[in-house]
Amino acid sequence: GAGVSQSPSNKVTEKGKDVELRCDPISGHTALYWYRQSLGQGLEFLIYFQGNSAPDKSGLPSDRFSAERTGGSVSTLTIQRTQQEDSAVYLCASSSQGGTETQYFGPGTRLLVL
Amino acid sequence: DQQVKQNSPSLSVQEGRISILNCDYTNSMFDYFLWYKKYPAEGPTFLISISSIKDKNEDGRFTVFLNKSAKHLSLHIVPSQPGDSAVYFCAAASNYQLIWGAGTKLIIKP
Repeated sequence: GAGVSQSPSNKVTEKGKDVELRCDPISGHTALYWYRQSLGQGLEFLIYFQGNSAPDKSGLPSDRFSAERTGGSVSTLTIQRTQQEDSAVYLCASSSQGGTETQYFGPGTRLLVL
Repeated sequence: DQQVKQNSPSLSVQEGRISILNCDYTNSMFDYFLWYKKYPAEGPTFLISISSIKDKNEDGRFTVFLNKSAKHLSLHIVPSQPGDSAVYFCAAASNYQLIWGAGTKLIIKP
């Protein structure tokens, strides 16, 4: 596809379960970002991948959160032992180079932890 | 500590009039600023940007003004149209990160 895609679009899970969220960036984009938007909040940076460099994980809120990017393309955000406060929209974005390049966002995954 | 602040959670403007969305920042090292627009159930989309070496950038109905001394930028939309109803996020670039404001919900009244 031409844009960033994310799956699933919606996810409802029980507290304590693990979830995996997937992001397919725009082909050829070397930079990939994960953000979280909680109700009434701005976009919270989680993690940044740039090419083959070590990812910047400084935004991950706890060690229950992890992400990987295989082959410099698809990325998976994993949340282990989900908590109710993890409920949010998780947005993925990619850009051609990172830095101040325009970021193109996917539609997000709406996660609800019961 | 919020480095980028959008102090108005919402704004209501009559169709055809000017919409002014404001954003304040605290870090003088920011050198690039962007506005994104977000519709419900969609990801944000890039709208307009400005480099810190400029004080104004215009693109059609959208103009962004930057006041570095006041650490303030604003987005002007004129004339406002119903399709402009959305949440507008201000973001400031620091190295490879964008620091985001909380967003302002713009409602254009017919």
